[in-house]
Amino acid sequence: AQSVSQHNHHVILSEAASLELGCNYSYGGTVNLFWYVQYPGQHLQLLLKYFSGDPLVKGIKGFEAEFIKSKFSFNLRKPSVQWSDTAEYFCAVNAPNTDKLIFGTGTRLQVFP
Amino acid sequence: SAVISQKPSRDICQRGTSLTIQCQVDSQVTMMFWYRQQPGQSLTLIATANQGSEATYESGFVIDKFPISRPNLTFSTLTVSNMSPEDSSIYLCSGDSWSNTEAFFGQGTRLTVV
Repeated sequence: AQSVSQHNHHVILSEAASLELGCNYSYGGTVNLFWYVQYPGQHLQLLLKYFSGDPLVKGIKGFEAEFIKSKFSFNLRKPSVQWSDTAEYFCAVNAPNTDKLIFGTGTRLQVFP
Repeated sequence: SAVISQKPSRDICQRGTSLTIQCQVDSQVTMMFWYRQQPGQSLTLIATANQGSEATYESGFVIDKFPISRPNLTFSTLTVSNMSPEDSSIYLCSGDSWSNTEAFFGQGTRLTVV
């Protein structure tokens, strides 16, 4: 069965620090990968996605993620976080033709000024 | 991108009662889904809402507890039946289409059962 693991449950950073959130999935076939963000009091929004092609994907607000197939990973990065990045981040995966999203447990990021 | 309106945004309900959550999309979507997000946990897929036919439920979820309707391509409802405190959670709907290749989410319904 597909599963998604996010090892960082709660991350606390100061502004301008670099961020990397881990995401690993367990599925041997071709997958589509997503990072969603949920700002306090708001609905889930797509941050970035990977379907195929360049394994380094750039998303909104300066975020990027790298798909490493050999490691079954899709880690999220940002070189310099801002206070406004405080949110919950979810990694998700689906296999083509299923449309069902399997979510990781989420990582709560707190950025202090 | 599609905009999904979900209501109610929150409710407090007595145990043993039922609550119906509505989800309206501003454009036609191929697929609609219902998720549950329990406190401190991730999103768990409840079911896929199929237009004009019975929903497809994930393991651990049954139609008698979570009846779902989807009469057309832009609207779906989820009912949480015979509620107990364990049903207290955030319920979210989402939709996507083959052309969008990404899922859009409603604002969620925060349900508290007392």
